[in-house]
Amino acid sequence: GAGVSQSPRYKVTKRGQDVALRCDPISGHVSLYWYRQALGQGPEFLTYFNYEAQQDKSGLPNDRFSAERPEGSISTLTIQRTEQRDSAMYRCASSSAGPNTGELFFGEGSRLTVL
Amino acid sequence: QQPVQSPQAVILREGEDAVINCSSSKALYSVHWYRQKHGEAPVFLMILLKGGEQKGHEKISASFNEKKQQSSLYLTASQLSYSGTYFCGTVGDDKIIFGKGTRLHILP
Repeated sequence: GAGVSQSPRYKVTKRGQDVALRCDPISGHVSLYWYRQALGQGPEFLTYFNYEAQQDKSGLPNDRFSAERPEGSISTLTIQRTEQRDSAMYRCASSSAGPNTGELFFGEGSRLTVL
Repeated sequence: QQPVQSPQAVILREGEDAVINCSSSKALYSVHWYRQKHGEAPVFLMILLKGGEQKGHEKISASFNEKKQQSSLYLTASQLSYSGTYFCGTVGDDKIIFGKGTRLHILP
């Protein structure tokens, strides 16, 4: 595709359920990032992949959050046993280079609401 | 560590200039700038690398002082299309950390 694609765009779930958010980056982009953005705030770093290797996961809030990018392309962010505080916009971004020099292309995001 | 942006919000009349500042407590390799319009994804404006170089296009430019760990974004002769929230993203280690943003509103 032409841009970064995320699905689902909207997800409403009940507390305690697991959710999986998918990101399809721009073809050929080696770097992939996950951010969480609350209304009126800047993107909050969650994790970063270089190809299939998870380079940094220091931003994942707790062990209910995990991410993978098994073939160096599509990535999945999984949240287990969701809680209301997990409600937010989750954004994926990809880049053709590393963080020092590579501009990020953001997807439209997945808005998660936990009831 | 999250960079600090100032001011938090700016209201300008069309044609006026604005400066948005971004500072970090950590040594930086580079600084990114993005603009986000309401309900949309952030969009890349520019990256500044070590060396204090000034970059820009049209009427939006930026500078990066690596010694002071600061960057500034300059918007001259602002247009209505410049409205939105501006974020700086700093690279100190192997990730990009964004500030809380500066809301810019341009009045006709």
